[in-house]
Amino acid sequence: AQSVTQPDIHITVSEGASLELRCNYSYGATPYLFWYVQSPGQGLQLLLKYFSGDTLVQGIKGFEAEFKRSQSSFNLRKPSVHWSDAAEYFCAVGSSSNDYKLSFGAGTTVTVRA
Amino acid sequence: DAGVIQSPRHEVTEMGQEVTLRCKPISGHNSLFWYRQTMMRGLELLIYFNNNVPIDDSGMPEDRFSAKMPNASFSTLKIQPSEPRDSAVYFCASSFLGALQETQYFGPGTRLLVL
Repeated sequence: AQSVTQPDIHITVSEGASLELRCNYSYGATPYLFWYVQSPGQGLQLLLKYFSGDTLVQGIKGFEAEFKRSQSSFNLRKPSVHWSDAAEYFCAVGSSSNDYKLSFGAGTTVTVRA
Repeated sequence: DAGVIQSPRHEVTEMGQEVTLRCKPISGHNSLFWYRQTMMRGLELLIYFNNNVPIDDSGMPEDRFSAKMPNASFSTLKIQPSEPRDSAVYFCASSFLGALQETQYFGPGTRLLVL
């Protein structure tokens, strides 16, 4: 069964500083990997996704993520955070064998301080 | 497009009452998902519809939960009778075709509190 671990429950970062959120997955074959963001009181919005090809994926809002098969990781990064990036971030994994089902991590809450 | 629409946004009810959550997917999307988000279990898929047909309901907690999709533009998730442990945020999401290559668009959620 596929699963996702987000080791950091909460991260605080200063505005303008870089941000990296960790995601580790467990899946036997090549996974489909996703990052979603949830702002307070809102639904989830897709930031980026990886299926195959280039392991560095660019997303919306200036985010990128890198797939590292050797480390079973798909970490999310942003070079310079804005106060509006304060939100909860979810990593999710899917597979081609069950190609509608997403398994979500527990989420990482990001606080941005001025 | 208005995105996925859910109603009500907030619901407070007493244990034993029937609760009905509603969802209008994005027009043209043929796949619809109901998720539940709790602190203890995180975000979990309850049921998946494709072309109005339930494909996977393995995530539905028990017989107290039921979901329907009578047409392509409307779905309901019903809890009868409700219990305090059903308190959660319930999200509806829709996508074109349902496959993971297609983005799932989430509604704003219904925050349910069962007293």
